[in-house]
Amino acid sequence: GESVGLHLPTLSVQEGDNSIINCAYSNSASDYFIWYKQESGKGPQFIIDIRSNMDKRQGQRVTVLLNKTVKHLSLQIAATQPGDSAVYFCAESSMEYGNKLVFGAGTILRVKS
Amino acid sequence: GAGVSQSPSNKVTEKGKDVELRCDPISGHTALYWYRQRLGQGLEFLIYFQGNSAPDKSGLPSDRFSAERTGESVSTLTIQRTQQEDSAVYLCASSIRSSPPFFGPGTRLTVL
Repeated sequence: GESVGLHLPTLSVQEGDNSIINCAYSNSASDYFIWYKQESGKGPQFIIDIRSNMDKRQGQRVTVLLNKTVKHLSLQIAATQPGDSAVYFCAESSMEYGNKLVFGAGTILRVKS
Repeated sequence: GAGVSQSPSNKVTEKGKDVELRCDPISGHTALYWYRQRLGQGLEFLIYFQGNSAPDKSGLPSDRFSAERTGESVSTLTIQRTQQEDSAVYLCASSIRSSPPFFGPGTRLTVL
């Protein structure tokens, strides 16, 4: 099955700053994208999603941007808080592949107080 | 229940034994996923059930791995003749067509 590398990239930000986490996806046919947050010892938690007919979607303190031209997804977190420290995963799916959800490698976000 | 539940939360077994992991999806969710997550790594797709369609088994790493789902309810993931490399957290998620998948807390499997 699909697998990812051993070492996850890390983003360190100061509390109160904005964070931007990036994700490159592989399948140009993907039409649905999700960001998940995973805290230590827990399952992934849904943050925000976006469909391919949109390029931006906002939630509470979070914004997802989708650039289909370069197959790039980003998650912006405003006013980052210590509770935002976690591993963040992007995931993609497509009708063509039967809606199977494929995850990216993940990024560790560390918030410094 | 309110969310996806998985049991057991932790399982320690000896190499060569069979194990069975259980997932109870959110009621009414037609899709169910199993993923494997090794320590410090991302989520590796194993298998996907969608309604009455044939499951997508393309992620199962070997024939020692199998999964079943009864209708749109509980699913079990079975690993036969466990190996130390099978040690990981096994995550289950469920969804309906209009919603993102929601994950359970996972089962941590340790093969000694």
